[in-house]
Amino acid sequence: ETGVTQTPRHLVMGMTNKKSLKCEQHLGHNAMYWYKQSAKKPLELMFVYNFKEQTENNSVPSRFSPECPNSSHLFLHLHTLQPEDSALYLCASSQGTSGSDTQYFGPGTRLTVL
Amino acid sequence: KQEVTQIPAALSVPEGENLVLNCSFTDSAIYNLQWFRQDPGKGLTSLLLIQSSQREQTSGRLNASLDKSSGRSTLYIAASQPGDSATYLCAVGLHQTGANNLFFGTGTRLTVIP
Repeated sequence: ETGVTQTPRHLVMGMTNKKSLKCEQHLGHNAMYWYKQSAKKPLELMFVYNFKEQTENNSVPSRFSPECPNSSHLFLHLHTLQPEDSALYLCASSQGTSGSDTQYFGPGTRLTVL
Repeated sequence: KQEVTQIPAALSVPEGENLVLNCSFTDSAIYNLQWFRQDPGKGLTSLLLIQSSQREQTSGRLNASLDKSSGRSTLYIAASQPGDSATYLCAVGLHQTGANNLFFGTGTRLTVIP
């Protein structure tokens, strides 16, 4: 499989559930990102990892917990979410974190919190 | 905080027409500007990346220009095709917050009518 893959593609969870989103990139990149895309709002960067180290946390609530065990995999652990957290969660990767490194996106996970 | 605005929010054109999408940003201290397309239910695909020192980039029927001093970019699509129907997103990277920390607009949804 090529590119950036995300699983699951759709997820419905209750406010008390714990779930995880998974992202895998097959491009040999060193940087990975989580974005949130809510209806009628711009895409928001949540976290950045470069060589497995978190380099950016965009004031994200602690109910979202990222994990990057290696440069190819990125997880987003979810617990006690709120209905307003319902959104499309996109993962991306890039070779590095310079301004000339294009980010490649996965198809996203559509999350609904009931 | 950087704000990115895209006008119009939606656009319908007949096949074969040339069109221009607009993007404006409030902080001119950008590192780069990128144009992406997003198809329904899918992630983003990078179209063009313009470094702050550049004025334009071209790829096939697409041409993106950048005017940093006025805080504007345009994406020109020549001879539009139904396959161009998608949402087009503009994003800027700032020196201050890291070139890879992209600020996105809310997009222009383009429909090309056969």
